[in-house]
Amino acid sequence: QVQLVQSEAEVKKPGASVKVSCKASGYSFSNYAIAWVRQAPGQGLEWMGRISVYNGNTEYAQKFQGRVTMTADTSTSTAHMELRSLRSDDTAVYYCARLYCTETTCYYNFDSWGQGTLVTVSS
Amino acid sequence: SYDLTQPPSVSVSPGQTASVTCSGVKLGDKFVCWYQLKPGQSPLLVIYQDSKRPSGIPERFSGSNSGNTATLTISGTQAMDDADYYCQAWASSTAPSFGGGTKLTVL
Repeated sequence: QVQLVQSEAEVKKPGASVKVSCKASGYSFSNYAIAWVRQAPGQGLEWMGRISVYNGNTEYAQKFQGRVTMTADTSTSTAHMELRSLRSDDTAVYYCARLYCTETTCYYNFDSWGQGTLVTVSS
Repeated sequence: SYDLTQPPSVSVSPGQTASVTCSGVKLGDKFVCWYQLKPGQSPLLVIYQDSKRPSGIPERFSGSNSGNTATLTISGTQAMDDADYYCQAWASSTAPSFGGGTKLTVL
């Protein structure tokens, strides 16, 4: 069955960077894309961006442009999301999720999700 | 970004029908998904492309989307359906957006 297993919780200081990983299994990693979605405490879901694994194409939400980088390693079936210049309001649970993209179109139906990684930003 | 509006809360009695709405300008021109989120769990896709149910999602979950409003309907609501529900809209060449979420209480 499809599984996305994320890295453990992190505690970071303001201004630092964090890199969260998402290891996929149970399907052909290269045939899908990986999106990143976060949920701050008491808040709703927020889309951060996605990476199409087979060609490395990325799409980032405007809010995170210049501060986030998404990568995918096909040799280990693992996607990574790095967020830089962390602030206290970046404290959230970060999820990876699977979606299907062709060369021209992404179908933003997130059909499988990781278990979430809590990132706490505190001095 | 594209704004989606959901009611903060909806209450329903067990066995009755629950309706959760999601509103946005010309939302009917976009595809809408619905996710169920329970405390300590990951989001679960319950409806995609307006009205399709993923494998394993009970038939009591249904969806519609027209005009400016999409609706998630849960027929014969059960206690296990008590959760937060988020709508999400997307269209070709536009980034996806989430609604603010609706807490469904089954009491």
